[in-house]
Amino acid sequence: GAVVSQHPSRVICKSGTSVKIECRSLDFQATTMFWYRQFPKKSLMLMATSNEGSKATYEQGVEKDKFLINHASLTLSTLTVTSAHPEDSSFYICSASAPPSYNEQFFGPGTRLTVL
Amino acid sequence: LAKTTQPISMDSYEGQEVNITCSHNNIATNDYITWYQQFPSQGPRFIIQGYKTKVTNEVASLFIPADRKSSTLSLPRVSLSDTAVYYCLVGVSFGNEKLTFGTGTRLTIIP
Repeated sequence: GAVVSQHPSRVICKSGTSVKIECRSLDFQATTMFWYRQFPKKSLMLMATSNEGSKATYEQGVEKDKFLINHASLTLSTLTVTSAHPEDSSFYICSASAPPSYNEQFFGPGTRLTVL
Repeated sequence: LAKTTQPISMDSYEGQEVNITCSHNNIATNDYITWYQQFPSQGPRFIIQGYKTKVTNEVASLFIPADRKSSTLSLPRVSLSDTAVYYCLVGVSFGNEKLTFGTGTRLTIIP
């Protein structure tokens, strides 16, 4: 139980285009989802906290107009990278708040974004 | 969340027991200690969580001294598949709260 999926697993796009990444909790409902970005050989950096039915809360330095987050249901959050540029190339990981019996978050497998 | 300090990297041979220590001098009374494992190009995976003394599961053991200012993740008889980055996190709630990942420890298992 408590599985989180991401789609796509990897995407390559041209500079200037927008890319949408989906994060789904498959067998549980997640009121809160988190989006992280990870550059090669670096640690995970939190980008934003996504709450179902409300606006996402962005970390300092993360452009909310560039990284659009939508959490329309208790099982789905999406991250859209708008007007992507090569410097946005990274590994994007989501996590979901677990059911009350778990004191942990469940992470998705990540999405590798490459912007040409 | 309390700040944590871990070694940047460690090497070990297959079959050895590996101990990774994490320092968290500012741990609060209500804080728990959680370890995550991350393989290359994958999301982190929960390994173990504890509050004090010793916790053991099918994957690892977690040793926490009485002052709780540090903790040691112990991996018995490691194999090549244990090569990963291991993160130590400290906090009250790991379910709904945003997590701050430190540098982690890059463990490389040598055949």
